Amino acid sequence: AQSVAQPEDQVNVAEGNPLTVKCTYSVSGNPYLFWYVQYPNRGLQFLLKYITGDNLVKGSYGFEAEFNKSQTSFHLKKPSALVSDSALYFCAVRDLGNTPLVFGKGTRLSVIA
Amino acid sequence: EAGVAQSPRYKIIEKRQSVAFWCNPISGHATLYWYQQILGQGPKLLIQFQNNGVVDDSQLPKDRFSAERLKGVDSTLKIQPAKLEDSAVYLCASSPEMGFTEAFFGQGTRLTVV
Repeated sequence: AQSVAQPEDQVNVAEGNPLTVKCTYSVSGNPYLFWYVQYPNRGLQFLLKYITGDNLVKGSYGFEAEFNKSQTSFHLKKPSALVSDSALYFCAVRDLGNTPLVFGKGTRLSVIA
Repeated sequence: EAGVAQSPRYKIIEKRQSVAFWCNPISGHATLYWYQQILGQGPKLLIQFQNNGVVDDSQLPKDRFSAERLKGVDSTLKIQPAKLEDSAVYLCASSPEMGFTEAFFGQGTRLTVV
Protein backbone atom coordinates (compact mmCIF):
# COMPACT_ATOMS: atom_id res chain seq x y z
CA ALA A 1 0.00 0.00 0.00
CA GLN A 2 1.22 3.49 -0.74
CA SER A 3 2.00 6.02 1.97
CA VAL A 4 3.33 9.53 2.40
CA ALA A 5 5.36 11.05 5.21
CA GLN A 6 5.61 14.74 5.93
CA PRO A 7 8.19 14.90 8.72
CA GLU A 8 7.57 18.51 9.76
CA ASP A 9 4.34 19.63 11.40
CA GLN A 10 5.35 23.28 11.06
CA VAL A 11 7.78 25.24 8.90
CA ASN A 12 8.58 28.86 9.63
CA VAL A 13 10.33 31.08 7.12
CA ALA A 14 10.94 34.80 6.73
CA GLU A 15 9.31 36.59 3.84
CA GLY A 16 11.64 36.72 0.84
CA ASN A 17 13.62 33.66 1.92
CA PRO A 18 13.46 30.35 0.08
CA LEU A 19 11.16 27.70 1.51
CA THR A 20 11.15 23.91 1.45
CA VAL A 21 8.38 21.60 2.63
CA LYS A 22 9.48 17.97 2.81
CA CYS A 23 7.71 14.84 1.60
CA THR A 24 8.80 11.23 1.27
CA TYR A 25 6.71 8.46 -0.20
CA SER A 26 6.35 4.72 -0.48
CA VAL A 27 4.69 2.91 -3.37
CA SER A 28 5.08 -0.50 -4.90
CA GLY A 29 5.39 0.75 -8.47
CA ASN A 30 6.01 4.06 -10.17
CA PRO A 31 4.78 6.97 -8.05
CA TYR A 32 2.46 9.72 -9.16
CA LEU A 33 2.98 12.61 -6.75
CA PHE A 34 0.95 15.70 -5.94
CA TRP A 35 1.05 18.79 -3.76
CA TYR A 36 -2.10 20.52 -2.51
CA VAL A 37 -2.56 23.65 -0.41
CA GLN A 38 -5.39 24.34 2.03
CA TYR A 39 -6.29 27.81 3.26
CA PRO A 40 -8.53 28.24 6.34
CA ASN A 41 -12.12 27.10 5.76
CA ARG A 42 -11.32 26.18 2.19
CA GLY A 43 -11.00 22.93 0.30
CA LEU A 44 -7.77 21.58 -1.10
CA GLN A 45 -6.28 23.41 -4.06
CA PHE A 46 -4.05 21.59 -6.52
CA LEU A 47 -0.53 23.04 -6.82
CA LEU A 48 1.47 20.64 -8.99
CA LYS A 49 2.06 17.03 -9.91
CA TYR A 50 4.78 14.67 -11.06
CA ILE A 51 3.79 11.88 -13.42
CA THR A 52 6.87 11.30 -15.55
CA GLY A 53 9.66 13.22 -17.26
CA ASP A 54 11.65 16.11 -15.85
CA ASN A 55 12.37 15.69 -12.14
CA LEU A 56 11.75 19.40 -11.49
CA VAL A 57 8.07 20.21 -11.74
CA LYS A 58 6.73 23.76 -11.81
CA GLY A 59 3.29 24.60 -10.53
CA SER A 60 0.97 27.38 -9.44
CA TYR A 61 1.94 30.54 -7.53
CA GLY A 62 5.67 30.10 -8.19
CA PHE A 63 5.95 26.75 -6.44
CA GLU A 64 8.05 23.89 -7.75
CA ALA A 65 8.89 20.41 -6.56
CA GLU A 66 11.80 18.09 -7.12
CA PHE A 67 11.27 14.38 -7.60
CA ASN A 68 14.15 12.25 -6.32
CA LYS A 69 13.64 8.56 -6.99
CA SER A 70 16.69 7.33 -5.07
CA GLN A 71 15.64 9.21 -1.94
CA THR A 72 11.90 8.61 -2.55
CA SER A 73 11.27 12.30 -1.96
CA PHE A 74 9.16 15.01 -3.52
CA HIS A 75 9.99 18.23 -1.67
CA LEU A 76 8.02 21.41 -2.36
CA LYS A 77 10.07 24.57 -2.91
CA LYS A 78 9.71 28.24 -3.63
CA PRO A 79 12.63 30.63 -4.20
CA SER A 80 11.09 33.58 -2.35
CA ALA A 81 8.30 33.12 0.20
CA LEU A 82 5.33 35.46 0.54
CA VAL A 83 3.21 36.06 3.64
CA SER A 84 0.23 34.93 1.55
CA ASP A 85 1.86 31.50 1.16
CA SER A 86 1.04 30.78 4.80
CA ALA A 87 -1.27 27.76 4.72
CA LEU A 88 -1.45 24.00 5.23
CA TYR A 89 0.36 21.94 2.58
CA PHE A 90 -0.38 18.32 1.77
CA CYS A 91 1.68 15.86 -0.22
CA ALA A 92 -0.20 12.98 -1.86
CA VAL A 93 0.68 9.86 -3.84
CA ARG A 94 -1.07 7.34 -6.01
CA ASP A 95 0.18 4.49 -8.13
CA LEU A 96 -1.11 2.93 -11.32
CA GLY A 97 -4.67 1.97 -11.90
CA ASN A 98 -7.67 2.66 -9.75
CA THR A 99 -5.98 3.69 -6.52
CA PRO A 100 -7.08 7.01 -5.00
CA LEU A 101 -4.84 9.75 -3.65
CA VAL A 102 -3.24 8.97 -0.30
CA PHE A 103 -2.36 12.09 1.69
CA GLY A 104 0.26 12.93 4.26
CA LYS A 105 -0.74 14.56 7.54
CA GLY A 106 0.14 18.02 6.30
CA THR A 107 2.72 20.70 7.08
CA ARG A 108 1.72 24.13 8.28
CA LEU A 109 3.79 26.83 6.60
CA SER A 110 4.09 30.17 8.33
CA VAL A 111 5.76 33.01 6.45
CA ILE A 112 6.74 35.87 8.72
CA ALA A 113 6.98 39.43 7.47
CA GLU B 1 -15.82 25.90 -15.40
CA ALA B 2 -17.75 25.48 -12.18
CA GLY B 3 -15.98 23.67 -9.37
CA VAL B 4 -17.12 20.89 -7.08
CA ALA B 5 -20.15 22.03 -5.10
CA GLN B 6 -20.88 20.80 -1.60
CA SER B 7 -23.64 21.54 0.87
CA PRO B 8 -24.15 22.36 3.60
CA ARG B 9 -20.94 24.19 4.55
CA TYR B 10 -21.45 23.64 8.26
CA LYS B 11 -23.58 21.28 10.31
CA ILE B 12 -23.95 20.78 14.05
CA ILE B 13 -25.85 17.75 15.31
CA GLU B 14 -26.20 15.78 18.50
CA LYS B 15 -24.74 12.31 18.80
CA ARG B 16 -27.02 9.53 17.60
CA GLN B 17 -28.70 11.87 15.12
CA SER B 18 -28.41 11.39 11.37
CA VAL B 19 -26.92 13.77 8.81
CA ALA B 20 -26.51 13.88 5.03
CA PHE B 21 -24.06 15.72 2.83
CA TRP B 22 -24.48 16.49 -0.85
CA CYS B 23 -21.88 16.82 -3.60
CA ASN B 24 -22.14 17.90 -7.23
CA PRO B 25 -18.90 17.16 -9.10
CA ILE B 26 -17.43 19.04 -12.02
CA SER B 27 -19.47 18.37 -15.15
CA GLY B 28 -18.24 15.35 -17.05
CA HIS B 29 -16.06 13.98 -14.25
CA ALA B 30 -16.53 10.24 -14.00
CA THR B 31 -14.69 9.69 -10.73
CA LEU B 32 -15.97 11.00 -7.41
CA TYR B 33 -14.37 10.70 -3.97
CA TRP B 34 -15.47 11.35 -0.41
CA TYR B 35 -12.69 12.08 2.06
CA GLN B 36 -12.83 12.62 5.82
CA GLN B 37 -10.40 15.16 7.29
CA ILE B 38 -10.12 15.12 11.07
CA LEU B 39 -8.50 18.18 12.63
CA GLY B 40 -4.73 17.92 12.47
CA GLN B 41 -4.72 15.03 10.02
CA GLY B 42 -4.59 14.57 6.29
CA PRO B 43 -7.69 13.63 4.31
CA LYS B 44 -8.61 9.95 4.47
CA LEU B 45 -10.56 8.29 1.68
CA LEU B 46 -14.00 7.02 2.63
CA ILE B 47 -15.34 5.95 -0.75
CA GLN B 48 -14.53 6.21 -4.45
CA PHE B 49 -17.07 6.02 -7.29
CA GLN B 50 -16.49 5.51 -10.98
CA ASN B 51 -19.68 6.75 -12.63
CA ASN B 52 -22.35 5.21 -10.36
CA GLY B 53 -20.33 2.18 -9.31
CA VAL B 54 -18.28 1.83 -6.13
CA VAL B 55 -14.56 1.27 -6.76
CA ASP B 56 -13.25 1.40 -3.21
CA ASP B 57 -15.18 1.59 0.06
CA SER B 58 -12.76 -0.38 2.19
CA GLN B 59 -12.36 2.45 4.75
CA LEU B 60 -16.03 3.38 4.97
CA PRO B 61 -17.52 2.47 8.39
CA LYS B 62 -20.46 0.68 6.82
CA ASP B 63 -22.31 0.19 10.10
CA ARG B 64 -23.06 3.91 10.18
CA PHE B 65 -21.91 5.49 6.91
CA SER B 66 -23.51 5.08 3.51
CA ALA B 67 -23.03 6.79 0.17
CA GLU B 68 -24.65 6.70 -3.19
CA ARG B 69 -24.14 8.25 -6.57
CA LEU B 70 -27.33 7.86 -8.49
CA LYS B 71 -27.15 8.43 -12.26
CA GLY B 72 -23.39 8.85 -11.99
CA VAL B 73 -23.53 12.58 -11.20
CA ASP B 74 -24.50 13.91 -7.74
CA SER B 75 -23.59 12.03 -4.61
CA THR B 76 -24.81 11.94 -1.03
CA LEU B 77 -22.96 10.75 2.04
CA LYS B 78 -25.01 9.83 5.11
CA ILE B 79 -24.09 9.14 8.70
CA GLN B 80 -26.61 7.36 10.91
CA PRO B 81 -26.24 7.44 13.87
CA ALA B 82 -23.45 9.97 14.34
CA LYS B 83 -20.77 9.63 16.99
CA LEU B 84 -18.59 12.29 18.58
CA GLU B 85 -15.57 11.00 16.66
CA ASP B 86 -17.32 11.73 13.36
CA SER B 87 -16.62 15.43 13.90
CA ALA B 88 -14.52 16.34 10.86
CA VAL B 89 -14.54 18.08 7.51
CA TYR B 90 -16.04 15.94 4.75
CA LEU B 91 -14.48 16.69 1.41
CA CYS B 92 -15.85 15.71 -1.96
CA ALA B 93 -13.54 15.57 -4.96
CA SER B 94 -13.85 14.62 -8.60
CA SER B 95 -11.56 13.88 -11.51
CA PRO B 96 -12.09 13.20 -15.20
CA GLU B 97 -10.87 9.65 -14.85
CA MET B 98 -9.06 7.35 -12.48
CA GLY B 99 -5.34 7.00 -12.78
CA PHE B 100 -3.01 9.88 -13.43
CA THR B 101 -5.01 13.06 -13.11
CA GLU B 102 -5.29 15.18 -10.01
CA ALA B 103 -8.54 15.42 -8.09
CA PHE B 104 -10.46 18.69 -7.73
CA PHE B 105 -11.89 19.35 -4.28
CA GLY B 106 -14.97 21.12 -3.02
CA GLN B 107 -14.87 23.45 -0.01
CA GLY B 108 -16.03 20.71 2.31
CA THR B 109 -18.70 20.34 4.97
CA ARG B 110 -17.59 20.88 8.56
CA LEU B 111 -19.52 18.52 10.84
CA THR B 112 -19.57 19.00 14.58
CA VAL B 113 -21.18 16.25 16.68
CA VAL B 114 -22.01 17.32 20.22
